[in-house]
Parts: sequence; structure tokens; C-alpha cells
Amino acid sequence: DGGITQSPKYLFRKEGQNVTLSCEQNLNHDAMYWYRQDPGQGLRLIYYSQIVNDFQKGDIAEGYSVSREKKESFPLTVTSAQKNPTAFYLCASSIDPGGLGYTFGSGTRLTVV
Amino acid sequence: AQSVTQPDIHITVSEGASLELRCNYSYGATPYLFWYVQSPGQGLQLLLKYFSGDTLVQGIKGFEAEFKRSQSSFNLRKPSVHWSDAAEYFCAVATGGGNKLTFGTGTQLKVEL
Repeated sequence: DGGITQSPKYLFRKEGQNVTLSCEQNLNHDAMYWYRQDPGQGLRLIYYSQIVNDFQKGDIAEGYSVSREKKESFPLTVTSAQKNPTAFYLCASSIDPGGLGYTFGSGTRLTVV
Repeated sequence: AQSVTQPDIHITVSEGASLELRCNYSYGATPYLFWYVQSPGQGLQLLLKYFSGDTLVQGIKGFEAEFKRSQSSFNLRKPSVHWSDAAEYFCAVATGGGNKLTFGTGTQLKVEL
């Protein structure tokens, strides 16, 4: 079955460390997105990519980095510059850059210890 | 920039009762509107979407929503709630030709047996 796989489901990080969240899709979707979810704040866009080797900052990109070397993969790195990284991270993909048909992964919960 | 407001943070209904979740948007042109549902610790699942045409749209799990341009609203309804409907519900808006969704802050639904 096609879908989006996020791994790991739970991730613990020590302060000052970088950590990379994985997002893989086998839907042949062109566009991919990373959102951060905090209680009471909904989903906020971190980065998005409409095509391989190209990506744009979203609303809260500071302290994060991404790459899009393959169509299927869009990893997110949470750097030590992110002041409050503890959150639930959701990856999504869409068949077209218009973003009108999102499919979401099941998320990664990152906790800084 | 477009925005989405979900004025109810929490709603509690009895099983079998009707449900209406409110969503108001801010956007100059006709928006593309979505409702998603999220179970705890999971990704988001699309319930329904409105692009154009009939302003009453039917979705999965017995949900429907009505687009009212004059009120800038896209409220979600269900005639009879089931205990399994307990979850968090998000309204989202995309601009025509845009490539990202803007989400509301969500409404947490609790169903009393």
C-alpha cells in the first residue's frame, strides 16, 4: 500500500544536539511538507518542497533544515539553534504543487531531555 | 495572508446528539477549504474538501460541511455523533493555486456515553 512513513515514532534528544527526522513516501507525489504541532496552536509549516532539489521556508523555519535529494524522501533536521524543539512533527505529501490533496504521515514526537 | 479561526477549543456532546464545529476563514478570493480529523498521536485524515460548486459537501464517516461565503464560514456537521468520533478536528484553507495549507488551532471533541 502507498503511503508516508515517518520514523522514528518517538525521539529523545539532549540539548545542543542535532537530530534528523525521516519522511519517506511511495505515492509518487511531487510536493512534500513538514509541519510542527503544539497543543493549542494547530499545525505550523516549517519547510516545503515542490520538486527534487528545491525547497522553501515556511512560517517557522528558524532552527530547522531540510534536503530533497530524492523524490521519495524529505528529511528534517532539528538543529541546536531551535530553542524549543519539543513537539509533534508531521510530514505530508501532495500529488501536485497546488497542495490540494495532502496525505499525512503518522508523526514523530520529539522530546528534548 | 489567509487565516483560519476555530473559536471552540473544546466541545463535549452526548453520543447520538448532533454536532457542529465552527470554522471561519479570512481570504479575499474563493478559498479551497478542508476539514481534517486527528486521533491522539496520529497523523491527519481528510474528512472533506470544498473547491467550488455545491456549497454543501459530503465527506467520510457521515460528516458534511457547508460553505457560506457571506459569513466566511465552513462549519462541519454530523447528525448523530458516535463515541468513535472523539478526536481533534482541524479546519484548513489553501489559496487558489497555492501550495500550502493554513490550519486552524483545532477543536477537541469529547463524546459522552
